[in-house]
Amino acid sequence: EDKVVQSPLSLVVHEGDTVTLNCSYEVTNFRSLLWYKQEKKAPTFLFMLTSSGIEKKSGRLSSILDKKELFSILNITATQTGDSAVYLCAVSASGSRLTFGEGTQLTVNP
Amino acid sequence: DVKVTQSSRYLVKRTGEKVFLECVQDMDHENMFWYRQDPGLGLRLIYFSYDVKMKEKGDIPEGYSVSREKKERFSLILESASTNQTSMYLCASSPINPGTTQYFGPGTRLLVL
Repeated sequence: EDKVVQSPLSLVVHEGDTVTLNCSYEVTNFRSLLWYKQEKKAPTFLFMLTSSGIEKKSGRLSSILDKKELFSILNITATQTGDSAVYLCAVSASGSRLTFGEGTQLTVNP
Repeated sequence: DVKVTQSSRYLVKRTGEKVFLECVQDMDHENMFWYRQDPGLGLRLIYFSYDVKMKEKGDIPEGYSVSREKKERFSLILESASTNQTSMYLCASSPINPGTTQYFGPGTRLLVL
C-alpha cells in the first residue's frame, strides 16, 4: 500500500522566519511528487518534482526531491502571514491516482 | 485557466437522505476524482473515473457511488447519508497522462444531522 507521511503536522512561526516542511513516501512505481497549498478552499498546485536533486523554485518557496532516500522538502523563506495554510504533499505512482499525506498546518503570526 | 466547479459550497442533510454532489470541469480532462478530507486524515480517494461511464473504487468507496455520463461531469452519490459522512468533499480533474497534477474544485462541506 502506498504511503505518504508529512512532518511536522503543525507549525507556528513568526513573520520572517524560514520553515522546512518534510514529506517522505513509500510507493511502488514512483512517477512524481507534488506539493499543494490549501487555504480555506481548494488545494492549489505549487510544484511537481520528478527527478532527484533538482530544485524547483517560485519566489520564496522552493522544493527538492531525494529519490534515493524517498523524501522531499518544501522551504519557505521570509514567511508572511499569507503563507498560513495547510501544505499537502502527494505522490503519483501507478496510473493517475495521487496518494496524499496528512498535510502540515502552517501558521505564521505577525 | 482550468476551472472545476462543485454544485454546492455547503450542504445540510438528514440521516437517510439521498445526497447528490455534482462536479463539472471545463478543460476536457479524461480523469476525474472524488475525495473526502477530514482533520488528521488528509485527502482520501473515494472514487475516480478515467473515461465516460468508467469508474474505479478508491480507498474508501463504502457508502458512496458515482456516475459519469458526460466527460465534463462527475457525480458523487450518498445513497443513504449517515453522520459519519459529514466531511469536506473535494472534486478534482486531470489529463490522461499519469503523474500530472490534479486541479481541484472549491469543495462541498456536507453536514449530516
